[in-house]
Amino acid sequence: EDQVTQSPEALRLQEGESSSLNCSYTVSGLRGLFWYRQDPGKGPEFLFTLYSAGEEKEKERLKATLTKKESFLHITAPKPEDSATYLCAVQAASGGSYIPTFGRGTSLIVHP
Amino acid sequence: DAGVTQSPTHLIKTRGQHVTLRCSPISGHKSVSWYQQVLGQGPQFIFQYYEKEERGRGNFPDRFSARQFPNYSSELNVNALLLGDSALYLCASSLVGQGSSPLHFGNGTRLTVT
Repeated sequence: EDQVTQSPEALRLQEGESSSLNCSYTVSGLRGLFWYRQDPGKGPEFLFTLYSAGEEKEKERLKATLTKKESFLHITAPKPEDSATYLCAVQAASGGSYIPTFGRGTSLIVHP
Repeated sequence: DAGVTQSPTHLIKTRGQHVTLRCSPISGHKSVSWYQQVLGQGPQFIFQYYEKEERGRGNFPDRFSARQFPNYSSELNVNALLLGDSALYLCASSLVGQGSSPLHFGNGTRLTVT
């Protein structure tokens, strides 16, 4: 069974204090790993897709990396507007349906 | 461009009642998926439809059903509501039903069962 574990569950940072969020996964035949951002009361917003170990993607203060067992979302010099829940999802070929499995998320709060 | 739209945004129902939730995908997207999100947890997969055919079903009871229409919009139906069905129901669309296409989510329907 595909499993996705995110850590920490919650993270509080001061503005400008860089850190990383972790997503570890167990899946046979990884097709893609996705990062989403979710603001309170809203649906998840797509950030990145990573396909293979060693791949990196960047967007503003966010950088996502991927190994064979985990992915990191690095946040450099965060601002209060980066406060949100960050969700990781993995997609594997399961009976041909490619259904992504989500982790529980990391709730990030950035204090000014 | 219009994103994924869901209706209604909020809904209060009583145990035992039936509910229908609606979703319109992004124009050009042929795949629609439904997720249930309980507070503090990640989205849990319910159904995926592609070209009006069911492509996947999550571990939910038969009280949950869905369908996709010729215009690719979709409905999620839940019968005999239980208190535990209270959650945020998310609809997501993607370009294709296979491969690594990212999901584009609507803002969900908040269902409260009393």
